[in-house]
Amino acid sequence: AQKVTQAQTEISVVEKEDVTLDCVYETRDTTYYLFWYKQPPSGELVFLIRRNSFDEQNEISGRYSWNFQKSTSSFNFTITASQVVDSAVYFCALSEAPERVTNAGKSTFGDGTTLTVKP
Amino acid sequence: SQTIHQWPATLVQPVGSPLSLECTVEGTSNPNLYWYRQAAGRGLQLLFYSVGIGQISSEVPQNLSASRPQDRQFILSSKKLLLSDSGFYLCAWSNRDEAFFGQGTRLTVV
Repeated sequence: AQKVTQAQTEISVVEKEDVTLDCVYETRDTTYYLFWYKQPPSGELVFLIRRNSFDEQNEISGRYSWNFQKSTSSFNFTITASQVVDSAVYFCALSEAPERVTNAGKSTFGDGTTLTVKP
Repeated sequence: SQTIHQWPATLVQPVGSPLSLECTVEGTSNPNLYWYRQAAGRGLQLLFYSVGIGQISSEVPQNLSASRPQDRQFILSSKKLLLSDSGFYLCAWSNRDEAFFGQGTRLTVV
């Protein structure tokens, strides 16, 4: 069975601080995909990134960066120079990918980390 | 571009009443469709998914059912709501690589 653990329930930082959101996963699948989503107060989930299990290259997108380490089953998310608009609940998710074909919608989600960025 | 519509945004229903939540997708054909529920302070739990008209897979046993009468329409139903059905329900569609979520319905069963 798949499992995603986001141990940090809530994080509070002051604007311009860097913050890292942790994600640890468990799966028996040899191929899988990992995702991060942002849920602002309005409720809808916004897709941020998808990484596959056979590509451990880390990724940077503006102030966002992701550190995928297969050896520790972790997929951590760092926001550099945080802003008030980054305040939201962030979810990490895992999707199995048999034969490297993913089904992005059929995912196991962590319980989320609520990030509050104070001005 | 693709869009997903989900309604209503909020709903308060008495215990024992029926439920019907509707979700429609525009701008794509034969999407995979999903219903998720989010309990307060928790992550999303996949309830149902569908890969085509009339094809429904249930992920967890529950008091709810789903139907897909048209290619881009996905309906979540219940004949008699329970208090434990309260939560935030999200509809989603996906291609292979990304999932796109609706605005959600906040259901309160009283």
